[in-house]
Amino acid sequence: KNQVEQSPQSLIILEGKNCTLQCNYTVSPFSNLRWYKQDTGRGPVSLTIMTFSENTKSNGRYTATLDADTKQSSLHITASQLSDSASYICVVSRDTGFQKLVFGTGTRLLVSP
Amino acid sequence: GAVVSQHPSWVICKSGTSVKIECRSLDFQATTMFWYRQFPKQSLMLMATSNEGSKATYEQGVEKDKFLINHASLTLSTLTVTSAHPEDSSFYICSARGTSGPVGTQYFGPGTRLLVL
Repeated sequence: KNQVEQSPQSLIILEGKNCTLQCNYTVSPFSNLRWYKQDTGRGPVSLTIMTFSENTKSNGRYTATLDADTKQSSLHITASQLSDSASYICVVSRDTGFQKLVFGTGTRLLVSP
Repeated sequence: GAVVSQHPSWVICKSGTSVKIECRSLDFQATTMFWYRQFPKQSLMLMATSNEGSKATYEQGVEKDKFLINHASLTLSTLTVTSAHPEDSSFYICSARGTSGPVGTQYFGPGTRLLVL
Protein backbone atom coordinates (compact mmCIF):
# COMPACT_ATOMS: atom_id res chain seq x y z
CA LYS A 1 0.00 0.00 0.00
CA ASN A 2 1.28 3.44 -0.91
CA GLN A 3 1.67 5.37 2.31
CA VAL A 4 3.61 8.29 3.75
CA GLU A 5 4.05 8.47 7.49
CA GLN A 6 5.42 11.43 9.37
CA SER A 7 6.73 11.85 12.87
CA PRO A 8 6.35 13.40 15.27
CA GLN A 9 2.69 14.30 14.87
CA SER A 10 3.32 17.57 16.68
CA LEU A 11 6.30 19.36 18.10
CA ILE A 12 6.93 22.40 20.28
CA ILE A 13 10.36 24.02 20.30
CA LEU A 14 11.81 27.26 21.58
CA GLU A 15 12.64 30.04 19.18
CA GLY A 16 16.21 29.76 17.93
CA LYS A 17 16.43 26.00 18.41
CA ASN A 18 16.83 23.42 15.66
CA CYS A 19 14.50 20.54 14.92
CA THR A 20 14.21 17.58 12.58
CA LEU A 21 11.03 16.15 11.13
CA GLN A 22 10.85 12.60 9.80
CA CYS A 23 9.09 11.04 6.84
CA ASN A 24 8.92 7.34 5.95
CA TYR A 25 7.26 6.17 2.78
CA THR A 26 6.26 2.98 1.04
CA VAL A 27 5.33 4.58 -2.27
CA SER A 28 6.19 2.76 -5.46
CA PRO A 29 7.22 3.48 -8.12
CA PHE A 30 8.96 6.51 -6.68
CA SER A 31 9.33 9.69 -8.67
CA ASN A 32 10.20 12.46 -6.23
CA LEU A 33 9.65 13.67 -2.68
CA ARG A 34 8.60 17.13 -1.64
CA TRP A 35 8.33 18.93 1.64
CA TYR A 36 5.62 21.54 1.95
CA LYS A 37 4.91 24.14 4.60
CA GLN A 38 1.27 24.87 5.27
CA ASP A 39 0.34 27.82 7.42
CA THR A 40 -3.01 27.60 9.18
CA GLY A 41 -5.81 28.44 6.77
CA ARG A 42 -3.51 28.55 3.76
CA GLY A 43 -2.53 26.26 0.94
CA PRO A 44 0.74 24.29 1.00
CA VAL A 45 3.90 26.00 -0.21
CA SER A 46 6.77 23.95 -1.60
CA LEU A 47 10.04 24.00 0.36
CA THR A 48 12.16 21.35 -1.37
CA ILE A 49 11.91 18.67 -4.00
CA MET A 50 14.25 15.70 -4.36
CA THR A 51 14.49 12.99 -6.96
CA PHE A 52 15.83 9.47 -6.48
CA SER A 53 19.43 10.48 -7.08
CA GLU A 54 19.47 13.45 -4.72
CA ASN A 55 20.16 12.92 -1.05
CA THR A 56 20.09 16.49 0.25
CA LYS A 57 18.51 19.78 -0.72
CA SER A 58 18.58 23.09 1.08
CA ASN A 59 16.30 26.11 0.98
CA GLY A 60 17.54 28.75 3.40
CA ARG A 61 17.17 27.42 6.93
CA TYR A 62 15.44 24.29 5.66
CA THR A 63 17.50 21.23 4.71
CA ALA A 64 15.89 18.06 3.45
CA THR A 65 17.57 14.69 3.16
CA LEU A 66 16.51 11.59 1.28
CA ASP A 67 17.63 7.98 1.68
CA ALA A 68 16.00 6.16 -1.21
CA ASP A 69 17.30 2.81 0.01
CA THR A 70 15.57 2.99 3.37
CA LYS A 71 12.75 5.15 1.99
CA GLN A 72 13.24 7.82 4.59
CA SER A 73 13.42 11.58 4.42
CA SER A 74 13.98 14.28 6.99
CA LEU A 75 13.49 18.02 7.12
CA HIS A 76 15.87 19.92 9.36
CA ILE A 77 15.04 23.45 10.43
CA THR A 78 17.84 25.51 11.87
CA ALA A 79 17.59 28.56 14.11
CA SER A 80 13.81 28.34 14.22
CA GLN A 81 11.69 31.46 14.05
CA LEU A 82 8.16 32.13 15.23
CA SER A 83 7.05 32.23 11.61
CA ASP A 84 8.13 28.62 11.21
CA SER A 85 5.04 27.60 13.20
CA ALA A 86 3.02 25.63 10.66
CA SER A 87 2.28 22.13 9.44
CA TYR A 88 4.99 20.46 7.42
CA ILE A 89 3.80 17.91 4.92
CA CYS A 90 5.89 15.24 3.20
CA VAL A 91 4.53 14.38 -0.24
CA VAL A 92 5.77 11.57 -2.45
CA SER A 93 5.02 11.50 -6.14
CA ARG A 94 4.31 8.18 -7.80
CA ASP A 95 5.68 7.67 -11.27
CA THR A 96 2.84 5.78 -12.92
CA GLY A 97 2.78 7.72 -16.17
CA PHE A 98 0.23 9.97 -14.53
CA GLN A 99 1.88 11.58 -11.55
CA LYS A 100 -0.11 11.05 -8.39
CA LEU A 101 0.78 12.57 -5.06
CA VAL A 102 0.68 10.65 -1.80
CA PHE A 103 0.41 12.99 1.18
CA GLY A 104 1.73 12.45 4.66
CA THR A 105 -0.41 13.43 7.62
CA GLY A 106 1.95 16.26 8.48
CA THR A 107 3.85 17.44 11.51
CA ARG A 108 2.44 20.43 13.36
CA LEU A 109 5.30 22.60 14.56
CA LEU A 110 4.89 25.32 17.13
CA VAL A 111 7.82 27.63 17.76
CA SER A 112 7.46 29.23 21.15
CA PRO A 113 9.07 32.55 22.16
CA GLY B 1 6.92 31.59 -9.75
CA ALA B 2 3.66 29.90 -10.64
CA VAL B 3 0.69 31.38 -8.80
CA VAL B 4 -2.68 29.79 -8.21
CA SER B 5 -5.53 31.80 -6.78
CA GLN B 6 -8.85 30.77 -5.29
CA HIS B 7 -12.02 32.72 -4.81
CA PRO B 8 -13.63 33.16 -2.42
CA SER B 9 -11.25 32.59 0.46
CA TRP B 10 -14.14 32.28 2.92
CA VAL B 11 -17.77 31.37 2.40
CA ILE B 12 -20.58 30.87 4.88
CA CYS B 13 -23.86 29.56 3.56
CA LYS B 14 -27.13 28.05 4.70
CA SER B 15 -27.75 24.34 4.42
CA GLY B 16 -29.24 23.44 1.05
CA THR B 17 -27.61 26.17 -0.98
CA SER B 18 -24.98 25.67 -3.66
CA VAL B 19 -21.53 27.19 -3.47
CA LYS B 20 -19.10 27.76 -6.32
CA ILE B 21 -15.36 27.99 -5.76
CA GLU B 22 -13.02 29.23 -8.47
CA CYS B 23 -9.44 28.19 -9.01
CA ARG B 24 -7.23 30.14 -11.40
CA SER B 25 -3.68 29.70 -12.60
CA LEU B 26 -2.47 33.27 -12.95
CA ASP B 27 0.75 33.03 -14.93
CA PHE B 28 0.75 29.62 -16.54
CA GLN B 29 -1.56 27.29 -18.38
CA ALA B 30 -2.79 24.43 -16.25
CA THR B 31 -3.49 21.33 -18.28
CA THR B 32 -4.60 19.54 -15.15
CA MET B 33 -6.21 20.83 -12.00
CA PHE B 34 -6.84 19.00 -8.77
CA TRP B 35 -9.34 19.57 -5.99
CA TYR B 36 -8.57 18.59 -2.43
CA ARG B 37 -10.48 18.69 0.81
CA GLN B 38 -8.84 19.05 4.18
CA PHE B 39 -10.49 18.52 7.55
CA PRO B 40 -8.99 19.99 10.73
CA LYS B 41 -5.68 18.42 11.73
CA GLN B 42 -5.78 16.08 8.74
CA SER B 43 -3.84 16.03 5.52
CA LEU B 44 -5.15 16.89 2.10
CA MET B 45 -7.48 14.37 0.52
CA LEU B 46 -7.75 14.32 -3.26
CA MET B 47 -11.34 14.68 -4.41
CA ALA B 48 -10.98 14.83 -8.17
CA THR B 49 -8.68 15.47 -11.08
CA SER B 50 -9.76 17.48 -14.07
CA ASN B 51 -8.16 17.97 -17.45
CA GLU B 52 -9.09 20.96 -19.53
CA GLY B 53 -12.04 20.25 -21.76
CA SER B 54 -12.86 16.82 -20.38
CA LYS B 55 -14.86 15.35 -17.53
CA ALA B 56 -13.30 15.19 -14.10
CA THR B 57 -12.10 11.93 -12.59
CA TYR B 58 -13.38 11.52 -9.06
CA GLU B 59 -11.73 9.60 -6.25
CA GLN B 60 -13.53 6.72 -4.68
CA GLY B 61 -16.20 7.87 -2.25
CA VAL B 62 -16.56 11.37 -3.71
CA GLU B 63 -20.02 12.06 -5.11
CA LYS B 64 -19.67 13.54 -8.57
CA ASP B 65 -23.24 14.84 -8.57
CA LYS B 66 -22.63 16.71 -5.35
CA PHE B 67 -19.22 18.13 -6.22
CA LEU B 68 -19.49 19.45 -9.76
CA ILE B 69 -16.19 20.29 -11.41
CA ASN B 70 -15.77 22.32 -14.54
CA HIS B 71 -12.43 22.92 -16.23
CA ALA B 72 -13.48 24.97 -19.23
CA SER B 73 -10.19 26.73 -19.87
CA LEU B 74 -6.49 26.25 -19.25
CA THR B 75 -6.54 28.81 -16.46
CA LEU B 76 -9.83 28.22 -14.68
CA SER B 77 -11.49 25.37 -12.87
CA THR B 78 -14.57 25.59 -10.69
CA LEU B 79 -15.89 23.37 -7.93
CA THR B 80 -19.58 23.65 -7.11
CA VAL B 81 -20.80 22.10 -3.90
CA THR B 82 -24.45 21.45 -4.59
CA SER B 83 -27.06 21.43 -1.83
CA ALA B 84 -24.38 21.92 0.79
CA HIS B 85 -24.85 20.45 4.25
CA PRO B 86 -22.94 21.04 7.49
CA GLU B 87 -20.83 17.92 6.92
CA ASP B 88 -19.49 19.57 3.76
CA SER B 89 -17.87 22.25 5.90
CA SER B 90 -14.19 21.95 5.20
CA PHE B 91 -11.13 23.59 3.70
CA TYR B 92 -11.07 23.15 -0.08
CA ILE B 93 -7.76 23.52 -1.87
CA CYS B 94 -7.09 23.40 -5.56
CA SER B 95 -3.80 22.81 -7.30
CA ALA B 96 -2.73 23.21 -10.87
CA ARG B 97 -0.14 21.43 -12.94
CA GLY B 98 1.45 22.95 -16.00
CA THR B 99 3.98 21.71 -18.46
CA SER B 100 7.08 23.22 -16.88
CA GLY B 101 8.95 22.41 -13.68
CA PRO B 102 9.90 19.02 -12.26
CA VAL B 103 7.63 16.16 -13.24
CA GLY B 104 4.43 16.15 -11.28
CA THR B 105 4.85 19.63 -9.86
CA GLN B 106 1.58 20.97 -8.57
CA TYR B 107 1.10 24.53 -7.44
CA PHE B 108 -1.44 24.93 -4.67
CA GLY B 109 -3.98 27.65 -4.20
CA PRO B 110 -4.47 29.37 -0.84
CA GLY B 111 -7.63 27.41 -0.10
CA THR B 112 -11.29 28.22 0.48
CA ARG B 113 -12.86 27.67 3.85
CA LEU B 114 -16.50 26.63 3.61
CA LEU B 115 -18.84 26.77 6.58
CA VAL B 116 -22.34 25.42 6.09
CA LEU B 117 -24.80 26.41 8.78
